[in-house]
Amino acid sequence: EIVLTQSPGTLSLSPGERATLSCRASQSVSSSYLAWYQQKPGQAPRLLIYGASSRATGIPDRFSGSGSGTDFTLTISRLEPEDFAVYYCQQYGSSPGFGGGTKVEIK
Amino acid sequence: QVQLVQSGAEVKKPGASVKVSCKASGYTFTSYGISWVRQAPGQGLEWMGWISAYNGNTNYAQKLQGRVTMTTDTSTSTAYMELRSLRSDDTAVYYCARGLDSSGYLDYWGQGTLVTVSS
Repeated sequence: EIVLTQSPGTLSLSPGERATLSCRASQSVSSSYLAWYQQKPGQAPRLLIYGASSRATGIPDRFSGSGSGTDFTLTISRLEPEDFAVYYCQQYGSSPGFGGGTKVEIK
Repeated sequence: QVQLVQSGAEVKKPGASVKVSCKASGYTFTSYGISWVRQAPGQGLEWMGWISAYNGNTNYAQKLQGRVTMTTDTSTSTAYMELRSLRSDDTAVYYCARGLDSSGYLDYWGQGTLVTVSS
């Protein structure tokens, strides 16, 4: 079973700043089967990135994903007020699983 | 547009079973599968399993093997998740989500169903 560890647990930033979120896997994620989701309070998660770096339909280009193997990164180039939320990474190989999440909060 | 609409909140006693439905619309139901993901209060996301709407093949999380059953009804484009022998730590919001296969990302999600297990 692949364990995903996200860091930091909480990121305190101001609107307009750059956010860099990390997702580290306990073993290599095959074929970059790595996705990122955004979740706001009381809402279902929303797919942002799949295949480690492909943006989902309708996702603004300020969101970008990178990485391979065991180290992956979600970058939000300039935070908008609506971007403050919790972000989860997911590996979707044979036994899919999620990371513990990173909360991006307003500083 | 793609929509997944789930059944309403449930309150169950320990030891009981719950069955949550997820009605799909806006796409060809049998071309995708449905994953189920749950989230305990204030906690992260937990993948529970996946079912193919094409042939009914399933892939369950090892932790839930023997307690969970996922089914589909292609005549109504509805997926179901039944969880048995409920415990207090099964209290969570349960989500259905569309995934191409058991190794697929989840591109559309239902609104969630709160299941509360309490004596």
